[in-house]
Amino acid sequence: DTAVSQTPKYLVTQMGNDKSIKCEQNLGHDTMYWYKQDSKKFLKIMFSYNNKELIINETVPNRFSPKSPDKAHLNLHINSLELGDSAVYFCASSQDLVLGVADYGYTFGSGTRLTVV
Amino acid sequence: AQSVTQPDIHITVSEGASLELRCNYSYGATPYLFWYVQSPGQGLQLLLKYFSGDTLVQGIKGFEAEFKRSQSSFNLRKPSVHWSDAAEYFCAVLGGGNKLTFGTGTQLKVEL
Repeated sequence: DTAVSQTPKYLVTQMGNDKSIKCEQNLGHDTMYWYKQDSKKFLKIMFSYNNKELIINETVPNRFSPKSPDKAHLNLHINSLELGDSAVYFCASSQDLVLGVADYGYTFGSGTRLTVV
Repeated sequence: AQSVTQPDIHITVSEGASLELRCNYSYGATPYLFWYVQSPGQGLQLLLKYFSGDTLVQGIKGFEAEFKRSQSSFNLRKPSVHWSDAAEYFCAVLGGGNKLTFGTGTQLKVEL
């Protein structure tokens, strides 16, 4: 059973298109995240949701819109794709720290490689 | 705001040699620190973490890290590197809002 699963794994699309990436976790975690990894491998947080509520919204263009239908899912929709959006996007989840630190940690999906041409 | 510095972009070691990857953090409160590994084309896997207590923490795959508050460091070590350890290694610090901030990563190459 995959703990955090993302689909699709690869996505090649033309500039100007709209696309979505889906993420699901079966760990029972309350918090989910989207990270962007650029071509230099730098990882930067984009969004986090706690139990369907937006918690972190970094300085991300408003062409990016996260949607969390329930606490096990966090999807990322991108409008009007640009060349600079090409990157690997990682979904992750974690439990609440108040539940204890022993098992705390982010669990990452395997990533979605987005290529805009 | 928290930040993490990994001063070494690339490190090459011979198989069987010891390894130390450097990490320095900046955070106003007691830091929660992590090391993750990313193999080519893969996601990130947690190697170990520090929250409190013993400053020397043991992780998976034979890795360990030592928290030194006076130096704001959390360096990762392994006594004997295997060829399969070649990967990208990320140090991270947990800040407010459960936000995990990563360093820029260190790429490890292992010579046979």
